[in-house]
Amino acid sequence: NAGVTQTPKFQVLKTGQSMTLQCAQDMNHEYMSWYRQDPGMGLRLIHYSVGAGITDQGEVPNGYNVSRSTTEDFPLRLLSAAPSQTSVYFCASSSRGQKTEAFFGQGTRLTVV
Amino acid sequence: DAKTTQPPSMDCAEGRAANLPCNHSTISGNEYVYWYRQIHSQGPQYIIHGLKNNETNEMASLIITEDRKSSTLILPHATLRDTAVYYCIVGTTSGTYKYIFGTGTRLKVLA
Repeated sequence: NAGVTQTPKFQVLKTGQSMTLQCAQDMNHEYMSWYRQDPGMGLRLIHYSVGAGITDQGEVPNGYNVSRSTTEDFPLRLLSAAPSQTSVYFCASSSRGQKTEAFFGQGTRLTVV
Repeated sequence: DAKTTQPPSMDCAEGRAANLPCNHSTISGNEYVYWYRQIHSQGPQYIIHGLKNNETNEMASLIITEDRKSSTLILPHATLRDTAVYYCIVGTTSGTYKYIFGTGTRLKVLA
């Protein structure tokens, strides 16, 4: 049981390049989310999904796209990378119910030069 | 979702209890209080959550005031490994996909 797996762990992009951050979970969770964390700040919600085929925007969605074709995977696409997107990105998953909590991946550290 | 207020930093001696406060004066009746911590720059780790009764697990205790406007996370015997940023979050159990994180409390456990 691997939990939430994010790849890659580190990435350097040039301004204008595109890329996809991968996130996979093996807990059959309905909910998945992407957050970004800038230095000295808390996490901010980018996009989320409450089930396969259902996605919605969070607090800071501009410049990012998501899709959820399977329960397990929730990739985050940067369309045209900008230096302002330099950040650490965390993926999380959780399930419906009363006694639940979110499980977070170990993060992807992205630098845009 | 309700927002929370936490002190930016705290120190605690190793072996002593660490008491981390959180204010959430606008919490709604169906919202829980969740605590997570982030060690170095790892992904946040769940600690505990509760609605209105005090809760205890193998990691910590959560004390929620009767009016639910504030809570305290208690680490009973802090160790150096408990040095981390602690986040208090309020939300519903059906909304665990959309947490609103503040800046948390940076706890430093001193040897």
